[in-house]
Amino acid sequence: DTGVSQNPRHKITKRGQNVTFRCDPISEHNRLYWYRQTLGQGPEFLTYFQNEAQLEKSRLLSDRFSAERPKGSFSTLEIQRTEQGDSAMYLCASSSASRYTQYFGPGTRLTVL
Amino acid sequence: QQQVKQSPQSLIVQKGGISIINCAYENTAFDYFPWYQQFPGKGPALLIAIRPDVSEKKEGRFTISFNKSAKQFSLHIMDSQPGDSATYFCAARTGNTPLVFGKGTRLSVIA
Repeated sequence: DTGVSQNPRHKITKRGQNVTFRCDPISEHNRLYWYRQTLGQGPEFLTYFQNEAQLEKSRLLSDRFSAERPKGSFSTLEIQRTEQGDSAMYLCASSSASRYTQYFGPGTRLTVL
Repeated sequence: QQQVKQSPQSLIVQKGGISIINCAYENTAFDYFPWYQQFPGKGPALLIAIRPDVSEKKEGRFTISFNKSAKQFSLHIMDSQPGDSATYFCAARTGNTPLVFGKGTRLSVIA
């Protein structure tokens, strides 16, 4: 069990640029979640997958955001035309279908200048 | 409407004291209540969790107390240590669905 990994750990970009983050879940976990956390707040749900199927998207996930999980393994979260309001920590978590515990990765800190 | 309300926002406790953080929820369909600990620059780490069929769960120095009728649950940290200084989040969910988090409590344990 190597844990959930996320890359990059930090990303600084200029407003209007596109960014992509990657999450590698715990290998046997078939559920993968994306959350966003801003300073002084708890994580807020963005979207989640069961295997390769995207089951739910939050209203926080505007049309500039897209997530994929090809082949039900790693996942990517892309933000197009970034805005300063997108600056946050993007967290990925995974769980198995039979257990409720979600394990979080270290997050990707995005700064939009 | 915030589904999980957490208090206090910040807490200062003397080393060796008891830290108490409270959460209240509204959705009676919630059936899993975890607490997460987060250090600066790190992702949240599961500390302890409880289901509504029990009123208390203890793991080492950490205890969850659960009051189903009041729709409240709390985290107690006994013998608080400086290494416990972190932000703590309560959360809730229904089945294997995404977690709903409280806003967090920043705990500082001072010597």
